[in-house]
Amino acid sequence: DAKTTQPTSMDCAEGRAANLPCNHSTISGNEYVYWYRQIHSQGPQYIIHGLKNNETNEMASLIITEDRKSSTLILPHATLRDTAVYYCIVRVGTSGTYKYIFGTGTRLKVLA
Amino acid sequence: EAGVAQSPRYKIIEKRQSVAFWCNPISGHATLYWYQQILGQGPKLLIQFQNNGVVDDSQLPKDRFSAERLKGVDSTLKIQPAKLEDSAVYLCASSLGYRLGQGLDTQYFGPGTRLTVL
Repeated sequence: DAKTTQPTSMDCAEGRAANLPCNHSTISGNEYVYWYRQIHSQGPQYIIHGLKNNETNEMASLIITEDRKSSTLILPHATLRDTAVYYCIVRVGTSGTYKYIFGTGTRLKVLA
Repeated sequence: EAGVAQSPRYKIIEKRQSVAFWCNPISGHATLYWYQQILGQGPKLLIQFQNNGVVDDSQLPKDRFSAERLKGVDSTLKIQPAKLEDSAVYLCASSLGYRLGQGLDTQYFGPGTRLTVL
């Protein structure tokens, strides 16, 4: 079973920040949070990951709460091309045996 | 660098027929994964290889599905015989799989093969 829960769908106006929440209340101390997105008819695309510190890259920012039980992916200026299903994943296992357990994700629709 | 390659992109077969999918991972990636994604659901891991050895195949329906990764590079996933419920997208992913540090074993996905079983 997935270790994460996400809202089924969200809308965001183009140019505004999109904030996608994720709950992972059973996460263990050494388990990372990964975010991927899947645009229609494509494979999942890596966005960002983190352990306990906030992270930022060219695509997004990841805010992880101090207790690590939830996180938020932030797309600072959403565009129509950001319309996709966003998956929050807790990576389980050990080196060489890491695996992702996907949930059903959040369907983000960016509106013009 | 080149990404994960998969072929074919689309396949339509009738139930009870056989089908095979091919995956070429990113060069140098030791770990290879096959996922099944049914419409409206997230991907589900079927099998995971580390080099040419199986790490996890607990979700693979072994009565009809098989996979191999000869020489630790390319991999094939086979279904024989196919059932209607096997209609899905089959995704291949790869990762470095080394002890680079806990946060660096990111998986990279191919475009998938869409299978329709009639």
